[in-house]
Amino acid sequence: GAGVSQSPRYKVTKRGQDVALRCDPISGHVSLYWYRQALGQGPEFLTYFNYEAQQDKSGLPNDRFSAERPEGSISTLTIQRTEQRDSAMYRCASSVSGFSLDEQYFGPGTRLTVT
Amino acid sequence: QKEVEQDPGPLSVPEGAIVSLNCTYSNSAFQYFMWYRQYSRKGPELLMYTYSSGNKEDGRFTAQVDKSSKYISLFIRDSQPSDSATYLCAMSASQGAQKLVFGQGTRLTINP
Repeated sequence: GAGVSQSPRYKVTKRGQDVALRCDPISGHVSLYWYRQALGQGPEFLTYFNYEAQQDKSGLPNDRFSAERPEGSISTLTIQRTEQRDSAMYRCASSVSGFSLDEQYFGPGTRLTVT
Repeated sequence: QKEVEQDPGPLSVPEGAIVSLNCTYSNSAFQYFMWYRQYSRKGPELLMYTYSSGNKEDGRFTAQVDKSSKYISLFIRDSQPSDSATYLCAMSASQGAQKLVFGQGTRLTINP
């Protein structure tokens, strides 16, 4: 079956612009996660959802970052007024259930470059 | 200080060697320990996970957790060129908490 998909795969934007990154989880997966991965580093947790409810957003760096999953499936991570320090790989993952330690399946990521 | 420390390497060994990868951590609340493998330009894939202290073996891979020392290890026996990847340790505080804390990753190359 299809895995986690993300779009766009690459995004170049100018400083100050808003960007929206999309994640399409594996069908039927309850939980969806967003991570940010800098080059040469491990993924850093941003936020996660069970169904449409945002359960933990403690990893969002500041209020320019927000995420939603309105129908409990596709999720969008939005970064407003982008800054160069926002440049990174943004990865989405999904898991079957949010109530046990299920495997998180990662997508290919969106490479964001802010110029 | 980061919650999880992992030597970034790079580590290069000949085919057939035993590889040891390690992470240390500072948060004593961590109970679930995972190893992910990440090939170049791909997302991480779960390799193994263990709960609390002890060993777990899966084929050529063995994961060890020593909670008293806050130290975890992944051993790869009879290493193959296809094992060349970045290996990431990850940890979670409780079964219901889905927030994974990752190490930096160790870049491993197995030379034929």
